Amino acid sequence: DIQMTQSPSSLSASVGDRVTITCRASQGIRNDLNWYQQKPGKAPKRLIYAASSLQSGVPTRFSGSGSGTEFTLTISSLQPEDFATYYCLQQNGNFAYSFGQGTKLET
Amino acid sequence: QVQLVQSGAEVKKPGSSVKVSCKASGGTFSSYIISWVRQAPGQGLEWMGRIIPVLGTVNYGQKFQGRVTITADKSTTTAYMEMSSLRSEDTAVYFCNFESISLDFWGQGTVVTVSS
Repeated sequence: DIQMTQSPSSLSASVGDRVTITCRASQGIRNDLNWYQQKPGKAPKRLIYAASSLQSGVPTRFSGSGSGTEFTLTISSLQPEDFATYYCLQQNGNFAYSFGQGTKLET
Repeated sequence: QVQLVQSGAEVKKPGSSVKVSCKASGGTFSSYIISWVRQAPGQGLEWMGRIIPVLGTVNYGQKFQGRVTITADKSTTTAYMEMSSLRSEDTAVYFCNFESISLDFWGQGTVVTVSS
């Protein structure tokens, strides 16, 4: 299986900050990567698909970039409702999918 | 818009099996890739496997190969995940996920507790 290394594992930030989370794939996955937000006790919510496409209804302060082995999720100006845990998921069609370890975004 | 309703919580003995269902309403069942994801208490998300109903193909994560079976019944628009030889480490919330290129839907989660 492809391994996803996500960093940092936790991040302390304040409202209004610009935040960046990174995922690295153990081999090239083109742009087959999604980003999810999860709040305690809830199912994940997809924010970004195909590395950089914004899911409908998701605020434009969220953006994704990258291809191949390195990907980033950026929140341009952190809002109170953005404190949550974020995960990347690689979806390379030839292999099983795999999540990154998660990034807990805290105030 | 697809609504997904999962079956209720389960308590199982080590060595037994569990089958979790995910009933879909709305949308076109065969248009989606259906995945199962689990989350152990206080841990991250773990991808288990997927089925593509229109193709009939199934893929599993290496860790789950041989112990998990994912199926989909188009006639009842229900997906299933069955896990055998349960152990305490399988205690988790199990989620179903229906996705297409631009759409993404999740079930509410099913708690499976494995305890003697």
